[in-house]
Amino acid sequence: DVQMTQSPSSLSASVGDRVTITCRASQSINRYLNWYQHKPGKAPKLLIYATSSLQSGVPSRFTGSGSGTDFTLTISSLQPEDFATYYCQETYNTLALTFGGGTKVEIK
Amino acid sequence: QVQLVESGGGVVQPGGSLKLSCTAYGFTFNNYGLHWVRQAPGKGLEWVSFIRYDEKNTFYTDSVKGRFTISRDKTQNTLYLQMNSLRPEDSAIYYCAKDRGRAVPDAFDYWGQGSLVTVSS
Repeated sequence: DVQMTQSPSSLSASVGDRVTITCRASQSINRYLNWYQHKPGKAPKLLIYATSSLQSGVPSRFTGSGSGTDFTLTISSLQPEDFATYYCQETYNTLALTFGGGTKVEIK
Repeated sequence: QVQLVESGGGVVQPGGSLKLSCTAYGFTFNNYGLHWVRQAPGKGLEWVSFIRYDEKNTFYTDSVKGRFTISRDKTQNTLYLQMNSLRPEDSAIYYCAKDRGRAVPDAFDYWGQGSLVTVSS
C-alpha cells in the first residue's frame, strides 16, 4: 500500500499568514492527490482534487501543487474560518485509498 | 443541494453486528460511486469501503474484509454498510461520501455528518 506522510502534524499561525502543508507519498502517485478540510463535528470538505484543481465554491486562497511523491497545499492568507485539520489523500491505489495523518492548523 | 444523511449508529458488544444507512438527496444516485470513511476517537480519517455506481465492484480496506459488506439500493437512494464481528477498534464516526466519479475512485466531493459506532462490553 501507498503510505502518505503529512508534515507538520500541527502548526500555529496568525490570520493573514501564508501556510504551507506538505504531503509525501511512499511511491509515485502521479497526480492522484486530493486535499480535505475537517472541522470538529462537521463533515469533511473537499478543497483540491487531482493535485491542483480547485473544488467548486472553495476560495482561491487555497492552492495545490506537486507531482510524483511530493505535494503541497498552500493557504495564501489564512482566514479565521480556515482553522481546521487538513488531510491529503491518494487515489492512485484504488484498492486501498490512503489518507495522510492530518495537519491541525491552530490560532497563534 | 447535495445531502447525505447517515443513520444506524449506536453501541454494540464485541462480536455483534450493526447496519449503517446513508440516504442521498440532490443528485442522480445511480451515476456515482460511494464510499464509507471512518474516524476513530483522536485519530485521522480512514477509508473503509467503495461501491461502484452500478454495484458491479466493491473494495474494502484490509482490516474489514470478510466482516463488512457495502451495498446500495437505487430504489431508496440509500447506501448501506453491514458490519459483522465488530471489534473495539471498529469504534469510530462513520461517514458516507459521494465520489466525483462512477467506476473508479476519484475524490470525495460530498460527505455526510457522520454516525457514531461504539463497540464496547
